[in-house]
Amino acid sequence: QSALTQPASVSGSPGQSITIPCTGTSSDVGGYNYVSWYQQHPGKAPKFIIFDVSRRPSGVSNRFSGSKSGNTASLTISGLQAEDEADYYCSSFTSSATYVFGTGTKVTVL
Amino acid sequence: QVQLQESGPGLVKPSETLSLTCTVSGVSVSSGSYYWSWIRQSPGKGLEWIGYIYYSGSSGTANYNPSLKSRVTISVDTSKNQLSLRLSSVTAADTAVYYCASVASGTRRFDPWGQGTQVTVSS
Repeated sequence: QSALTQPASVSGSPGQSITIPCTGTSSDVGGYNYVSWYQQHPGKAPKFIIFDVSRRPSGVSNRFSGSKSGNTASLTISGLQAEDEADYYCSSFTSSATYVFGTGTKVTVL
Repeated sequence: QVQLQESGPGLVKPSETLSLTCTVSGVSVSSGSYYWSWIRQSPGKGLEWIGYIYYSGSSGTANYNPSLKSRVTISVDTSKNQLSLRLSSVTAADTAVYYCASVASGTRRFDPWGQGTQVTVSS
């Protein structure tokens, strides 16, 4: 299975919105509504911020939102803040009952 | 709540077998309530799912990343409430931070994660 494709980096100014795409195939992203997103700060374990494509766990800011169209899922961060600077990874359940992660995106707040 | 803690040797020689343990607290590993996963992150690289085991009662089912399947074994020790990872014939490419994480039955998200443990493959 191949890693899901994400841009290596995305940047934005405070207050702006950014979107991170996550492209897979019909065997993973496109085939299931089981895309989740993880935020990872340096030296820390990842923490999930979106699950089942667009659901947000309690305690996660509503500035984070998720969506999906075809084989591409997306994470949008609105009202960008300095604390959002981190690495972001998507993940999808697959047709083989396995999991695959995205290549990861470094978000920089300018 | 579920808490996970990885442990194991920080240094492994090439061609040897990497063995790690994840101690689970807050729930029984054999409850059938969770899928227990291992995930790794190579230096400066992204996350790679290694595999999971689902254990209920006295039997378990494992599934592995196809790229690692020939070298990986994930198992459960119910007496210690732990899950284990064995990765054979390691090379420098297996140097990574190794995380254990849980997926609650009926969900498809990794939560929570352990803090991770660094493993370096070097002679």
